Amino acid sequence: DSGVTQTPKHLITATGQRVTLRCSPRSGDLSVYWYQQSLDQGLQFLIHYYNGEERAKGNILERFSAQQFPDLHSELNLSSLELGDSALYFCASSVTGGGQETQYFGPGTRLLVL
Amino acid sequence: QKEVEQDPGPLSVPEGAIVSLNCTYSNSAFQYFMWYRQYSRKGPELLMYTYSSGNKEDGRFTAQVDKSSKYISLFIRDSQPSDSATYLCAMITGGGNKLTFGTGTQLKVEL
Repeated sequence: DSGVTQTPKHLITATGQRVTLRCSPRSGDLSVYWYQQSLDQGLQFLIHYYNGEERAKGNILERFSAQQFPDLHSELNLSSLELGDSALYFCASSVTGGGQETQYFGPGTRLLVL
Repeated sequence: QKEVEQDPGPLSVPEGAIVSLNCTYSNSAFQYFMWYRQYSRKGPELLMYTYSSGNKEDGRFTAQVDKSSKYISLFIRDSQPSDSATYLCAMITGGGNKLTFGTGTQLKVEL
């Protein structure tokens, strides 16, 4: 158990809908990262938050947004969902976000868009 | 061309075999190198973390980095059925905060 929690574990929804994925980092970690894992693209970095502020963006679609709250949990919002958004979404956390730090991954949320 | 290339496998070996997993990369700014193990339907779990060129050993696992060739490897000795998983290489620049992953190699260790 990495100490990173994610809810829900599974999500099934329809095209055009909006969903929110939630992540709680390890105790003491200030940085939260979101990654998407699909069969054709592998694990892709989406976005990084540090202590409530956005630090870096990767291949995140404009339909997706995220935030980190004062209690350091983070939410990833996916809207106008398309079939191709079906994937595993992982959250990871680290202490401050430096390149030398280990990122610990949560169990993921499996999203299926029908 | 992808920044990190990894043979997707699948790789099937008998129990007790030595397994060699490899990644090549193109970005010379990568400074930290990791190997994650991912069981089916689970999150990636950190196995090995290396910084400098050379070897790092942890139990049955040895990570090797050759920065001059932009090549990293993970060796698993005395492989066990419980090692059956997908192995992902990952790397990050010194000042960076996003991990860049290989596509993962699926390993099956058979009895």
